[in-house]
Amino acid sequence: DAGITQSPRHKVTETGTPVTLRCHQTENHRYMYWYRQDPGHGLRLIHYSYGVKDTDKGEVSDGYSVSRSKTEDFLLTLESATSSQTSVYFCAIRGTETSTDTQYFGPGTRLTVL
Amino acid sequence: AQSVTQLDSQVPVFEEAPVELRCNYSSSVSVYLFWYVQYPNQGLQLLLKYLSGSTLVESINGFEAEFNKSQTSFHLRKPSVHISDTAEYFCAVSSGGATNKLIFGTGTLLAVQP
Repeated sequence: DAGITQSPRHKVTETGTPVTLRCHQTENHRYMYWYRQDPGHGLRLIHYSYGVKDTDKGEVSDGYSVSRSKTEDFLLTLESATSSQTSVYFCAIRGTETSTDTQYFGPGTRLTVL
Repeated sequence: AQSVTQLDSQVPVFEEAPVELRCNYSSSVSVYLFWYVQYPNQGLQLLLKYLSGSTLVESINGFEAEFNKSQTSFHLRKPSVHISDTAEYFCAVSSGGATNKLIFGTGTLLAVQP
């Protein structure tokens, strides 16, 4: 257990509604990541963080923003949800500071945008 | 840019039969390679990884993968599968570095039949 929780685990919302997903870790790790998982695409990186208030874009960042005001929490926000953002969202943390070390994944959040 | 190809979206196999899940990657720099497993309705778990050294790496539950630089492959094998191995398997590549971003393949569903 890598000490990662995600909330909510399931959410249904309507197009145009703002949505925030939370990733919480208890391990005090510096690096955190948000991915989305879609059939036929595997997992794709949305945003990542390398410290408090330090974030950067991944390959599919359009329509998403993130914030990290505390080491333990990494928030993903959809400012105005669209149906194309229906997906399963996974948070990950890096095990240690070693650049090659393993990423550990949370249980995921299933988001449906109607 | 790096990429990962998993040509088989689904591999059906009978219990106790051997299996190989194929993974090929593309990269202009040295890479680190990973296999993750995702059981139904769960997050991803690391199965095994290649960072350096011996090109044959093993997991605790009988899977192994061999890094082949000339063929740019990292195929996953198991000599005898169990029903409990039914899951989706993702190959991923990273070039390391401070952010250690992972690029995932599209996944292979291993369906073990009795």
